[in-house]
Amino acid sequence: GAVVSQHPSWVICKSGTSVKIECRSLDFQATTMFWYRQFPKQSLMLMATSNEGSKATYEQGVEKDKFLINHASLTLSTLTVTSAHPEDSSFYICSAGPFHTEAFFGQGTRLTVV
Amino acid sequence: DAKTTQPNSMESNEEEPVHLPCNHSTISGTDYIHWYRQLPSQGPEYVIHGLTSNVNNRMASLAIAEDRKSSTLILHRATLRDAAVYYCILEITGNQFYFGTGTSLTVIP
Repeated sequence: GAVVSQHPSWVICKSGTSVKIECRSLDFQATTMFWYRQFPKQSLMLMATSNEGSKATYEQGVEKDKFLINHASLTLSTLTVTSAHPEDSSFYICSAGPFHTEAFFGQGTRLTVV
Repeated sequence: DAKTTQPNSMESNEEEPVHLPCNHSTISGTDYIHWYRQLPSQGPEYVIHGLTSNVNNRMASLAIAEDRKSSTLILHRATLRDAAVYYCILEITGNQFYFGTGTSLTVIP
């Protein structure tokens, strides 16, 4: 089946720095990708919808200036956590796929801010 | 606002069938019902999805109530590799998923 790949799988950064996470669709074109965040022992929470060639749509309560999303091509969306703080430490997951059928999730990125 | 409700945890003996229930009373006519499962520190894995009719695939079966306000994921013979958190999800708009709390399935050897 189709594959969505995230990079890096894990990252540790210092408080106040920015971190970029990449999400690639390896064998299909994705005009829309989705970003989720998952805290330990909790469910996935949709953060934003990434739209190729246009602005991302953020869920209520998600700071768009803190979580910058760029979807510059049909196979790549990036999430940049700006001025990261320890409370931003989480598991970030992206997904893509045709509508109303199987969605493909990346393997996730574990972010630890120290 | 959780759109699906599931039991927090369930147990099953290995080789026995497992029925994982899900309530989605606010479902609308165009919402698809998806099931995914997740292992620790991994992205969710697709299990099955449907709209109105019951569905079968190599992994599982999905039984959807006639009024669509509930559904049940059926694993016909649980194996140890089926131990995971199972999420019942409504696809409100194209592939935009709002996850519920999920059911943690323990399979007992």
